[in-house]
Amino acid sequence: SQQGEEDPQALSIQEGENATMNCSYKTSINNLQWYRQNSGRGLVHLILIRSNEREKHSGRLRVTLDTSKKSSSLLITASRAADTASYFCATDVGSMYSGGGADGLTFGKGTHLIIQP
Amino acid sequence: GAGVSQSPRYKVTKRGQDVALRCDPISGHVSLYWYRQALGQGPEFLTYFNYEAQQDKSGLPNDRFSAERPEGSISTLTIQRTEQRDSAMYRCASSLDMGYEQYFGPGTRLTVT
Repeated sequence: SQQGEEDPQALSIQEGENATMNCSYKTSINNLQWYRQNSGRGLVHLILIRSNEREKHSGRLRVTLDTSKKSSSLLITASRAADTASYFCATDVGSMYSGGGADGLTFGKGTHLIIQP
Repeated sequence: GAGVSQSPRYKVTKRGQDVALRCDPISGHVSLYWYRQALGQGPEFLTYFNYEAQQDKSGLPNDRFSAERPEGSISTLTIQRTEQRDSAMYRCASSLDMGYEQYFGPGTRLTVT
């Protein structure tokens, strides 16, 4: 079953602009992770944010987490052509909530981001 | 340092054959995960290990799929009697421990003809 839903499904912006992607999920989580994937290639880990954190930064990336709304956002500032990729959020429910069950990540379908030069 | 490696990178097999996919995690990583990714979708969790113990196999589609990690390092995902619907990218990830960042390997592209 799908836990995370990214929004929008596709986003096209001009180079230099900021890009914001959102992720909503359904159940309580241990942490939420964002990944980037270029043209169906490898998945690159971007940021992990834990359920007790509200915001994290890494370079041009800013991630927020609102556990009351069960949502997260990924902001990429000053976008570059090289940022063109699919971006996925993935939730880790953790054995604490799954009664010893899955600690695998549950991914959404992703947001396809295109940066126009 | 070296990341997660997977082999083979591409595998073409005939329907009904068995295949074994290998994952070599980042050195020192306790947890190892298997996922399957269809085109245009996010990865789908299959199973995971802590050390050599398989913690959860609820994501395995059916009993033709099995995985092992006998010495707590390298893992093998085996698909018996492959079917065309098994064609997908199979990805392995490892993490320092449960609840930490998961780092993915390049994947094995399986095509069943």
